[in-house]
Amino acid sequence: DQQVKQNSPSLSVQEGRISILNCDYTNSMFDYFLWYKKYPAEGPTFLISISSIKDKNEDGRFTVFLNKSAKHLSLHIVPSQPGDSAVYFCAALRDSGYALNFGKGTSLLVTP
Amino acid sequence: KAGVTQTPRYLIKTRGQQVTLSCSPISGHRSVSWYQQTPGQGLQFLFEYFSETQRNKGNFPGRFSGRQFSNSRSEMNVSTLELGDSALYLCASRPSVTAGNTIYFGEGSWLTVV
Repeated sequence: DQQVKQNSPSLSVQEGRISILNCDYTNSMFDYFLWYKKYPAEGPTFLISISSIKDKNEDGRFTVFLNKSAKHLSLHIVPSQPGDSAVYFCAALRDSGYALNFGKGTSLLVTP
Repeated sequence: KAGVTQTPRYLIKTRGQQVTLSCSPISGHRSVSWYQQTPGQGLQFLFEYFSETQRNKGNFPGRFSGRQFSNSRSEMNVSTLELGDSALYLCASRPSVTAGNTIYFGEGSWLTVV
């Protein structure tokens, strides 16, 4: 069963605006949430992560928000740049060596 | 600091053959895991190794196997290849099995089975 869901397959945003990518999960035992950016036929590039004990983490243009009660997290990219165009994967992990559970990804297109 | 290195990057095999893929983790990382990405199934966990021991295994048939060496390098093997095994195989490393927020992926090995 899909424990991590990204319900928007695609998103188009104008350059300079905010991109908001959403992710929902069903397993309240997840300890970490990670976001990856991926180009076709390449490996995922780690962007940012957040521990389940926090509700926000920021790194440059990227901010991740976690709402545990709603089992929802979001990645904000501000300002969006054309180079941000890629597929973004949300992933969740329980501590102690469990596997990453990935969402199906959201394809972001940032237009000039 | 070198990233996760996977070899080969691209390969074509025939049904029924076997294939071995290699992964060198980031220096100092002792946990290596493998994932398969296909268009239909997305990114799926294959297995994880730590200190040469398999810690977890995903829902894949026994044709998929792996191992880890004392220097943390890992290999995965797929025997009796099927067309459906065509996929991007990704290796990920992290310092330890409790380092949940620092997992890095290699570029992947793209396998085509014909």
